Amino acid sequence: DADVTQTPRNRITKTGKRIMLECSQTKGHDRMYWYRQDPGLGLRLIYYSFDVKDINKGEISDGYSVSRQAQAKFSLSLESAIPNQTALYFCATSGITWGASGSEFTDTQYFGPGTRLTVL
Amino acid sequence: EDQVTQSPEALRLQEGESSSLNCSYTVSGLRGLFWYRQDPGKGPEFLFTLYSAGEEKEKERLKATLTKKESFLHITAPKPEDSATYLCAVGGSGSRLTFGEGTQLTVNP
Repeated sequence: DADVTQTPRNRITKTGKRIMLECSQTKGHDRMYWYRQDPGLGLRLIYYSFDVKDINKGEISDGYSVSRQAQAKFSLSLESAIPNQTALYFCATSGITWGASGSEFTDTQYFGPGTRLTVL
Repeated sequence: EDQVTQSPEALRLQEGESSSLNCSYTVSGLRGLFWYRQDPGKGPEFLFTLYSAGEEKEKERLKATLTKKESFLHITAPKPEDSATYLCAVGGSGSRLTFGEGTQLTVNP
């Protein structure tokens, strides 16, 4: 079974509808992330969470909200979908890597299979 | 602001023709440089993490190297199944990743 799962895998909706994308992980990681990917723009961070009580905005959070229901679950909501939110959405998880001197390194992020969202 | 620039945007090789992909970066305090492979419509698949200049890692036909300003992904004798988009990312403050736009590699038989 996949370590990071996303549902749904594909979704077509209409402008103004509320949409929720869900992410679950079995890697035991504390940190979870939501990205969107657009052609020519690469992967951009929407929201991230370092534990259940810690949620932070990324570079493009406007129009989105998130909920961290448990260590293993992180949901992304579009309160009122608009066409320019049509994109591929990815969830990712990571642990924490510490260097020998006690400094924190960026741990590897592991990605889910993605959700293709189309807003008409 | 952390920045990552990948070149070339697209690369077409013949099977067996070795080449390199470039990732140039600026970051205030590098906490890791990451290479991913992404197939169309799928999530990025982790390949390598490099933490310090001079570090090298290998996996099958791929070898990643790191300097203080850039990283290279060397592909030796590529096969058609190596065709994919290769993404580079840097970890900076707050352990967040900044991604480049990727290099789309096509290997023809």
